[in-house]
Amino acid sequence: NAGVTQTPKFQVLKTGQSMTLQCAQDMNHNSMYWYRQDPGMGLRLIYYSASEGTTDKGEVPNGYNVSRLNKREFSLRLESAAPSQTSVYFCASRTDSFPSDTQYFGPGTRLTVL
Amino acid sequence: AQSVAQPEDQVNVAEGNPLTVKCTYSVSGNPYLFWYVQYPNRGLQFLLKYITGDNLVKGSYGFEAEFNKSQTSFHLKKPSALVSDSALYFCAVRDQSTGFQKLVFGTGTRLLVSP
Repeated sequence: NAGVTQTPKFQVLKTGQSMTLQCAQDMNHNSMYWYRQDPGMGLRLIYYSASEGTTDKGEVPNGYNVSRLNKREFSLRLESAAPSQTSVYFCASRTDSFPSDTQYFGPGTRLTVL
Repeated sequence: AQSVAQPEDQVNVAEGNPLTVKCTYSVSGNPYLFWYVQYPNRGLQFLLKYITGDNLVKGSYGFEAEFNKSQTSFHLKKPSALVSDSALYFCAVRDQSTGFQKLVFGTGTRLLVSP
């Protein structure tokens, strides 16, 4: 049981390049999330998916797209990377047992855009 | 809108002393509150949560949190700090405006426990 996995762990991009961050969970959770973490700003939600086939914008969606490929996988795409997207990106999934549900986080992807 | 505030960027405490990491919240309706911890170069880990019931919530690694409705606070506490408790701590509240799907996080408090 690996929990939430993310690839890659590190990435350096040049401005204007594109890339996809991958996330997978093996806990059979319906809900999945993408956050970015920046110093002094905590975690901010980029997109989330309440179930397979649905996605919704979070607090900071501009410059990103997501795909909920199936129940296990939720990817985040940067179409044209900008230096402002330098950040640490975390994927999370959530149990469905409201109100006792909990979010479980992956180890993160550290992205630098030059 | 739901929000949490962590007024301290950093808390310093000596090993063996009690520690408190502060969090205040603003919600409409009943609050569902959480604490997460992040060790260096790791993702966030769930520590504890308050849903309803007893105002003192016990969690992982000897941590507990006290819910105070009148002061709208949910402070994280531990009776005796360990050097290994040094980490970044986040308070979070469930966002009721989105059908409870999302968490809103505070900006985090860095805890430094000195030997």
